[in-house]
Amino acid sequence: AQRVTQPEKLLSVFKGAPVELKCNYSYSGSPELFWYVQYSRQRLQLLLRHISRESIKGFTADLNKGETSFHLKKPFAQEEDSAMYYCAPSDGGGSNYKLTFGKGTLLTVNP
Amino acid sequence: KAGVTQTPRYLIKTRGQQVTLSCSPISGHRSVSWYQQTPGQGLQFLFEYFSETQRNKGNFPGRFSGRQFSNSRSEMNVSTLELGDSALYLCASSLMQNTEAFFGQGTRLTVV
Repeated sequence: AQRVTQPEKLLSVFKGAPVELKCNYSYSGSPELFWYVQYSRQRLQLLLRHISRESIKGFTADLNKGETSFHLKKPFAQEEDSAMYYCAPSDGGGSNYKLTFGKGTLLTVNP
Repeated sequence: KAGVTQTPRYLIKTRGQQVTLSCSPISGHRSVSWYQQTPGQGLQFLFEYFSETQRNKGNFPGRFSGRQFSNSRSEMNVSTLELGDSALYLCASSLMQNTEAFFGQGTRLTVV
C-alpha cells in the first residue's frame, strides 16, 4: 500500500530560523512528488513539485530515492509561511491518477 | 480564469439520507478528483474522473459514488449517510494526469 508519513504534526520556529518539514513515502513505482500548502482560510494549493526543481517562496524540496524522502526546506522562515503543509506523492502510472496526502504539518513561524 | 467551484458550501443532513455534491472544474480541465478531509484521517482520496470515466477509486464503501458529465462537471453522491461521513469534501481539477491539481473551497457536510 502507498504510504506517506509526515512525522511532525506541529512545528514551531522563530522568524529567520531555518525550517525543514519531513516527508517519507513508501510507494511502488516512481511517483511524482508534490508539496501542497493551505494558508488560513484559503484553499489548498500547490507549493512545489519535484519534477520542476523550482524554488517557490524560498522553499525547496530534495528527493532522496534511497531514503524515500522528500523533505521541504527553507533557510529563513517568515511569518507568512505559517500554514498547513502536505506532502503528496501521486500515482503516475498508466491511466491512474491520485494524490496520497500525508497527515500534514502545521508550521507556525513566531515573530 | 475562474477557479474550481463547489456547491453547496455547507450542508446539514440527517442519518440515512443521501446527498449530492457538485464540482465545476477549471475550464479546459478534464480530470476531476474528490477527497474527503477529516481531523482524524486527514485528506483521503475518493475517486478520479477523466472524460466521464472513473479511472481510480479509493477505499471507500459503495455508498460513495460519483459521475462526470460531458462538460467535465462532476457530482459525488453519498447514500445512507452515517455520522462518520461528516467531513469537508474537496474537489480538484487538473489538465492532465500528474499536473497540478487545483482545489475548490470544499463542501462542509454535517450529518446529524
